[in-house]
Amino acid sequence: AQSVTQLGSHVSVSEGALVLLRCNYSSSVPPYLFWYVQYPNQGLQLLLKYTSAATLVKGINGFEAEFKKSETSFHLTKPSAHMSDAAEYFCAVSGGTDKLIFGTGTRLQVFP
Amino acid sequence: EAGVAQSPRYKIIEKRQSVAFWCNPISGHATLYWYQQILGQGPKLLIQFQNNGVVDDSQLPKDRFSAERLKGVDSTLKIQPAKLEDSAVYLCASSPTPGEATNEKLFFGSGTQLSVL
Repeated sequence: AQSVTQLGSHVSVSEGALVLLRCNYSSSVPPYLFWYVQYPNQGLQLLLKYTSAATLVKGINGFEAEFKKSETSFHLTKPSAHMSDAAEYFCAVSGGTDKLIFGTGTRLQVFP
Repeated sequence: EAGVAQSPRYKIIEKRQSVAFWCNPISGHATLYWYQQILGQGPKLLIQFQNNGVVDDSQLPKDRFSAERLKGVDSTLKIQPAKLEDSAVYLCASSPTPGEATNEKLFFGSGTQLSVL
């Protein structure tokens, strides 16, 4: 079985500051891990994914995530936050099937 | 390329009433998913179709929820009768073939926000 835990339902940063959104996973098989972003009144959009290739994954809009098996983590980072990054971010896991298990989400606020 | 279309955008009903949501996936996408996203939670898969057949409906509350995809293209999700706890955003997603959810080929619609009073 797979599950993900997102630590922190709300994260606030200043524009230009580092963004760090935390995700820990549990999986009985080698996991596929994803980060999705959801802007207000829009559907989910894939930011990046990990599928057992490189452990450091680069995504769209300057985001990246590092798969750390020893820590069962897949935290999302961005060196410098922009106002347009304000959204809800979801971590998700799959055991290689179509069934994605989503975390509860982290709402990112960016202050000027 | 047109995205996944969903309607209505919002729906407000009273408990015990019935409601239906419609989804038109991206053209040519064989696999269609319905997700339920309750406020404060992540999306949860309700049902997965491959063409007009059901692949996974293990988390669909079948006593009140039903879904169909008769011609293997668009799909409807129905709730009858609705309960207060059904208040959520219902997301439709599609992908070209099975297994494509694990790469960049899973696309979500904007969802239908349901409020049950």
